[in-house]
Amino acid sequence: DTGVSQDPRHKITKRGQNVTFRCDPISEHNRLYWYRQTLGQGPEFLTYFQNEAQLEKSRLLSDRFSAERPKGSFSTLEIQRTEQGDSAMYLCASSSSRDWVNTQYFGPGTRLTVL
Amino acid sequence: AQKVTQAQTEISVVEKEDVTLDCVYETRDTTYYLFWYKQPPSGELVFLIRRNSFDEQNEISGRYSWNFQKSTSSFNFTITASQVVDSAVYFCALIPLLQGGSEKLVFGKGTKLTVNP
Repeated sequence: DTGVSQDPRHKITKRGQNVTFRCDPISEHNRLYWYRQTLGQGPEFLTYFQNEAQLEKSRLLSDRFSAERPKGSFSTLEIQRTEQGDSAMYLCASSSSRDWVNTQYFGPGTRLTVL
Repeated sequence: AQKVTQAQTEISVVEKEDVTLDCVYETRDTTYYLFWYKQPPSGELVFLIRRNSFDEQNEISGRYSWNFQKSTSSFNFTITASQVVDSAVYFCALIPLLQGGSEKLVFGKGTKLTVNP
């Protein structure tokens, strides 16, 4: 059983550029989460999908951020017009709604650096 | 408010010492889930244990043990006979079910554990 994968692992971009990250969840998992982690902090929730539906977005997710999960499989997170404050680790997690405790399994993350 | 507090920012021990990582949580829910995750230098969060609020039994898994006490809202993690490979940042997290919907994790700020040889 392969785990959660994320691509790319590292991204360096210049301020004002757009970036897109991809997350492939564990194959039978229908729930998918995006979190953001800055240095010295715990991960903070960004958004949640159940199957292809985006059911919740954090106030942290400004209108420059958009996430999709077409067909309920992989997900993408796009940041438009990046700012230096967007520099962080972006983590994806997946879980199954059949797990009543909702254990979330994380990918390796995408580390974004905005210059 | 839902909140997880890990008061220890960094802990340094010598190999074979026992170490306890503290976690205190706040929630108005009577039903909730608690978790511990390990984040090694590679960055990936590794799930260690989960607990639901109705199960106060302590758990032992090899060198790891967890002490859940609802009376003090604590879910502490002990590593016995620590090893260098235990060096990582450890996060305690909560899913408060009153929030409904996404059941997102609420994390503490983490405790960085360094085990020196």
